[in-house]
Amino acid sequence: ILNVEQSPQSLHVQEGDSTNFTCSFPSSNFYALHWYRWETAKSPEALFVMTLNGDEKKKGRISATLNTKEGYSYLYIKGSQPEDSATYLCARNSGNQFYFGTGTSLTVIP
Amino acid sequence: NAGVTQTPKFQVLKTGQSMTLQCAQDMNHEYMSWYRQDPGMGLRLIHYSVGAGITDQGEVPNGYNVSRSTTEDFPLRLLSAAPSQTSVYFCASSYSTGMGEIGYTFGSGTRLTVV
Repeated sequence: ILNVEQSPQSLHVQEGDSTNFTCSFPSSNFYALHWYRWETAKSPEALFVMTLNGDEKKKGRISATLNTKEGYSYLYIKGSQPEDSATYLCARNSGNQFYFGTGTSLTVIP
Repeated sequence: NAGVTQTPKFQVLKTGQSMTLQCAQDMNHEYMSWYRQDPGMGLRLIHYSVGAGITDQGEVPNGYNVSRSTTEDFPLRLLSAAPSQTSVYFCASSYSTGMGEIGYTFGSGTRLTVV
């Protein structure tokens, strides 16, 4: 089993603060790394798919980086807003098999 | 364009009963998969399909069957429900196994309770 680990498990930040979380994964047989945003009572929504070492992706105030050699990815949120409150999942696929982390639960306090 | 449609949204089964969770997508996606979500475990892959007529096992396939007779549909069958199968089930699809720039599109989930 290709364990994907995310840290921290949960996080509370004040509105306006910037924050980041980590996804670590085995670097062997790497194909792609995904980030998803999962709001309560909804379905996970794809944020980024990254495949190349050094990839950086950005969507509004959210960005992500990828290091496939050392097996980690960071997700950054700049100027957190209450609507950013959600669980952020990362997943790694190796061919057809996908392995998800347990997520980082972010709460942004107004 | 409805995306990924899962039915039912909620279901209660008695131990030993069988049922089928339905999943349909209208995006012409080749890759479809089923996950279960349990507290503290993350999403775990049950079965997946890379195209019509092709299915394969994921991480936790025991107690479940799938078939893929059409590109659009990917039903998940519980053969003899057990309390350990109480979970939230998600169907997901993507254009290809390579995912491109898009990643998965998830259904809204089915909350299953086995008593």
